[in-house]
Amino acid sequence: DAGVIQSPRHEVTEMGQEVTLRCKPISGHDYLFWYRQTMMRGLELLIYFNNNVPIDDSGMPEDRFSAKMPNASFSTLKIQPSEPRDSAVYFCASSTRDRGSGGYTFGSGTRLTVV
Amino acid sequence: DQQVKQNSPSLSVQEGRISILNCDYTNSMFDYFLWYKKYPAEGPTFLISISSIKDKNEDGRFTVFLNKSAKHLSLHIVPSQPGDSAVYFCAARGLSGSARQLTFGSGTQLTVLP
Repeated sequence: DAGVIQSPRHEVTEMGQEVTLRCKPISGHDYLFWYRQTMMRGLELLIYFNNNVPIDDSGMPEDRFSAKMPNASFSTLKIQPSEPRDSAVYFCASSTRDRGSGGYTFGSGTRLTVV
Repeated sequence: DQQVKQNSPSLSVQEGRISILNCDYTNSMFDYFLWYKKYPAEGPTFLISISSIKDKNEDGRFTVFLNKSAKHLSLHIVPSQPGDSAVYFCAARGLSGSARQLTFGSGTQLTVLP
């Protein structure tokens, strides 16, 4: 099992550009989560999917953020246009309802820097 | 409003001594509490959990204590080792439906000094 795979590992972009972050969850996991880590707020949930359907996007900061999950093995988080305050580490995680107390499996994250 | 709080951003402990990391929560409907450990440039990894119906869970050097009346949990690491140096996140899980996702605290950086 390769775990949750995120790409790219690092992204540096100029303000105003579109940024797309990618995630491949663990096969068989039916929940997928996007989190953002910042110094000020720690790990905050942006959006999560169940069986490819967005369930709760109340954590998405603005309309500039959007997320899709076209199939069970792929999800994207898009920021358009990007701003310097979007600079953070973005994590994708997956899980199953039956995982119980075991929590989530996280990817290694994408470090985004908007200059 | 932060439902899960870790009030200590950092903690330093001597190797071999006990590390105690604390976490407070406000929502009495959480049914599971978890601790994650995060090394630099890696994603958080699951460490240990406890059900809301228990008050203690132990796994090797790691023990989590839950005080439901105080809405407080703590992670004890005994003895602490330099490899334990990492950021520790406390997390809580809702009971059902859309609340089943994990809510994380802001993390505590643990440094174990050799």
